[in-house]
Amino acid sequence: AQSVTQPDIHITVSEGASLELRCNYSYGATPYLFWYVQSPGQGLQLLLKYFSGDTLVQGIKGFEAEFKRSQSSFNLRKPSVHWSDAAEYFCAVGSLFTGGGNKLTFGTGTQLKVEL
Amino acid sequence: IAGITQAPTSQILAAGRRMTLRCTQDMRHNAMYWYRQDLGLGLRLIHYSNTAGTTGKGEVPDGYSVSRANTDDFPLTLASAVPSQTSVYFCASSQREFTDTQYFGPGTRLTVL
Repeated sequence: AQSVTQPDIHITVSEGASLELRCNYSYGATPYLFWYVQSPGQGLQLLLKYFSGDTLVQGIKGFEAEFKRSQSSFNLRKPSVHWSDAAEYFCAVGSLFTGGGNKLTFGTGTQLKVEL
Repeated sequence: IAGITQAPTSQILAAGRRMTLRCTQDMRHNAMYWYRQDLGLGLRLIHYSNTAGTTGKGEVPDGYSVSRANTDDFPLTLASAVPSQTSVYFCASSQREFTDTQYFGPGTRLTVL
């Protein structure tokens, strides 16, 4: 069964500092990986996704993630954090549903706090 | 603006009552999903639908039912609510292809007393 682990429940960084959020996955085949962000009281918004090809994926809002098969990881990074990045971040692994669509298994999330 | 709408935004419900959470999308997506979000557990899939007329069970389906009479609507029903169903519920949709992004609604906060 597929699973996702986000080992950091909370992370606090200073505005302008770099950020790395960790994500480890367990999946029997080639994984399809996603990062979503959830602002307070909002739904989830896709930051980026990886299916194949270049292992360094660029997303919205200046985020990027790197797929490392040997480490079963898909860590999210941002060179310089802005106060508006404070939110909860979810990593997910996807698998195919027979008949169409995809099944997302989410991690438990990492809450990011940004200090001014 | 295209997207997913959910209703109600929030609801307090007495245990044992029946409740239907509504979800409508205007993106003509084939697949739709219901998740519940609980603190420390992330999001878990309750039910899904690949296309109109078909539904399937997700990770935590007990106590919930869904229907998909048309492409746009995917209601979630709690036949007899229990306190453990207190949660935030998110509806999502995606196109048919496996690689397509899931888009999420704003959520419904449900409290069962």
